[in-house]
Amino acid sequence: AQSVTQPDIHITVSEGASLELRCNYSYGATPYLFWYVQSPGQGLQLLLKYFSGDTLVQGIKGFEAEFKRSQSSFNLRKPSVHWSDAAEYFCASNYGGATNKLIFGTGTLLAVQP
Amino acid sequence: GAGVSQTPSNKVTEKGKYVELRCDPISGHTALYWYRQSLGQGPEFLIYFQGTGAADDSGLPNDRFFAVRPEGSVSTLKIQRTERGDSAVYLCASSLGLAGVHEQYFGPGTRLTVT
Repeated sequence: AQSVTQPDIHITVSEGASLELRCNYSYGATPYLFWYVQSPGQGLQLLLKYFSGDTLVQGIKGFEAEFKRSQSSFNLRKPSVHWSDAAEYFCASNYGGATNKLIFGTGTLLAVQP
Repeated sequence: GAGVSQTPSNKVTEKGKYVELRCDPISGHTALYWYRQSLGQGPEFLIYFQGTGAADDSGLPNDRFFAVRPEGSVSTLKIQRTERGDSAVYLCASSLGLAGVHEQYFGPGTRLTVT
C-alpha cells in the first residue's frame, strides 16, 4: 500500500540551529510530494511541493526540501530555526489518478528551545 | 481572498446523536476534500467531490458517514449515531480541480467530541 513515513515523532532544536525533518514514501513511481505545517488552532499550510524537475525545492518561511529517488526520501530542511517555527510538520504524497487525494505521514512535532 | 471556512469550530455531542459539519470552499474551486485527523495522527482521506458528485468516497469508514455537495460549493459531512471513536478533527480542503495535481487549501477544521 502507498504510505508516507515520518520516523521522528518529536524533535527539539535550539533557536538558530539547523533543522532536518525526515520523510520517506513508498511507491514505485515518483509521487507528488508536499510538506505542510500545522500550528495550534490553525489549518494546514503548504510549505513547499515537488512535482518534477529540480530535486531541491524552495518553500516559504526559509524552508527547503530535497527529493532523493534513490532513498525514497523528501526531507525538509531549514538552516536556522526561529522560535515561531515550533509547530507540527506533515509530509504528504499524492499519487495522482482520478482523486488526487493526499496521503499524510503521522507528523513531526517540532519544539524550539531559546 | 477568503480561505476555506468550516463551521462549527467545535462540536460536542452525545453518543448516538446525529451531527452535521459544514465546509465552505474557496470560491471557484471545483474540487473539495474531507479528511479526518485523530489525535497524534496525520489527516486521513474520507471523501472527494468534483463539482456536485462524490468522485471517491473510499475513505468513509462506514455507512454512518455521508457527505453532500448539492450545488457544487458548500459541503456538509453528516455522521449518524455518533460513537466515541468518531471524536477527531474533521478537515476540509479545496482545490482548483482541473486536470493534474493542484495544491489543496485547508480549512481550520471542526473538532468533534463525542461523549
